[in-house]
Amino acid sequence: KAGVTQTPRYLIKTRGQQVTLSCSPISGHRSVSWYQQTPGQGLQFLFEYFSETQRNKGNFPGRFSGRQFSNSRSEMNVSTLELGDSALYLCASSAGQGHSLDTQYFGPGTRLTVL
Amino acid sequence: SQKIEQNSEALNIQEGKTATLTCNYTNYSPAYLQWYRQDPGRGPVFLLLIRENEKEKRKERLKVTFDTTLKQSLFHITASQPADSATYLCALDIGDSNYQLIWGAGTKLIIKP
Repeated sequence: KAGVTQTPRYLIKTRGQQVTLSCSPISGHRSVSWYQQTPGQGLQFLFEYFSETQRNKGNFPGRFSGRQFSNSRSEMNVSTLELGDSALYLCASSAGQGHSLDTQYFGPGTRLTVL
Repeated sequence: SQKIEQNSEALNIQEGKTATLTCNYTNYSPAYLQWYRQDPGRGPVFLLLIRENEKEKRKERLKVTFDTTLKQSLFHITASQPADSATYLCALDIGDSNYQLIWGAGTKLIIKP
């Protein structure tokens, strides 16, 4: 089975711009979660989509949004980029059983740099 | 406030010895705790899950303990090898009706030959 793929792998943007990141989950997985990872902060949960619906949301401003398509692929959008948005953005897929026994499978991440 | 703590300093261990990593948490009553490994430039990879009613879980050279009284999990790698060098993350559920994992910042483990 192919793993979780994320595109692009690297991205450089300037403040004020917007960006869209893409994630293709493992075939058959219906849940996609997005995380932001910065040095010393750990993974911060952004949101989770299941069957095209946002099921959970973390404590991020409305500039961060996402969506999921019928084939379970997901996109994450960040508008009006700020310097502090520079981070590694990770996507994880799971079967989506909706409890903590659900193992998450991560993609390699998209490294976003905001100048 | 709710917090998960992992040793932020890198842990240097001699090859062949046992490496022990710590995950402490406050203000949670997690039902499960998970450990992941992350290599540079890659996403985390799931290693082990331990439930609150399990004291210990093993997988090959890996062992995890979970002490809900101390609010602590220990992650052990026995007979450590240079290939075990990576950052290890702990994650736990926040114990409410929403499925959401809270993550530690990770501990970098360096195994020296």
